[in-house]
Amino acid sequence: TQLLEQSPQFLSIQEGENLTVYCNSSSVFSSLQWYRQEPGEGPVLLVTVVTGGEVKKLKRLTFQFGDARKDSSLHITAAQPGDTGLYLCAGAEGNQFYFGTGTSLTVIP
Amino acid sequence: NAGVTQTPKFRVLKTGQSMTLLCAQDMNHEYMYWYRQDPGMGLRLIHYSVGEGTTAKGEVPDGYNVSRLKKQNFLLGLESAAPSQTSVYFCASSRTQGYTFGSGTRLTVV
Repeated sequence: TQLLEQSPQFLSIQEGENLTVYCNSSSVFSSLQWYRQEPGEGPVLLVTVVTGGEVKKLKRLTFQFGDARKDSSLHITAAQPGDTGLYLCAGAEGNQFYFGTGTSLTVIP
Repeated sequence: NAGVTQTPKFRVLKTGQSMTLLCAQDMNHEYMYWYRQDPGMGLRLIHYSVGEGTTAKGEVPDGYNVSRLKKQNFLLGLESAAPSQTSVYFCASSRTQGYTFGSGTRLTVV
């Protein structure tokens, strides 16, 4: 059973555009993480959000955890080709994280 | 810093053969995990360990075994490989929050 749904599945945009990707679940998570994965590599942790309603910024990336701790969003401002990759969200239950299927982002120069 | 190192990076097996994937971490992390990543399925947990000498089943454990004899190493074994085990395998470790992943092993079973 897939606990986390990510949308859109694929996204292709021009350099300089803004975008938002979503991570939704019917489950409540104690924390939620976002990772970026480049081809041929493992996922790399971007951020962890813990509190409902929490907003964290990492340069041009803004992460928000839903008030009910069931969903999250990632907003990228002025996307750059270096942002290209697979973005994964992961929700924590106990010792484990359950991953979404990811959003594959391509930023065209 | 090496972080999490996986060996081998690529492997082709014939159906029925066995192999062991090795994961080593140098961060003194207590928790270690094995995931498989398949198109459209995301990352699925195979087995995990919360400390030396302990292992537990994840979401898709069938056909795999693991061992954690030393804190820094977590081994994933396939006793009799099947084509359905063709996948990219990732090892990860963590202390409290946030995984550090290895770069993966691409396994093809023919």
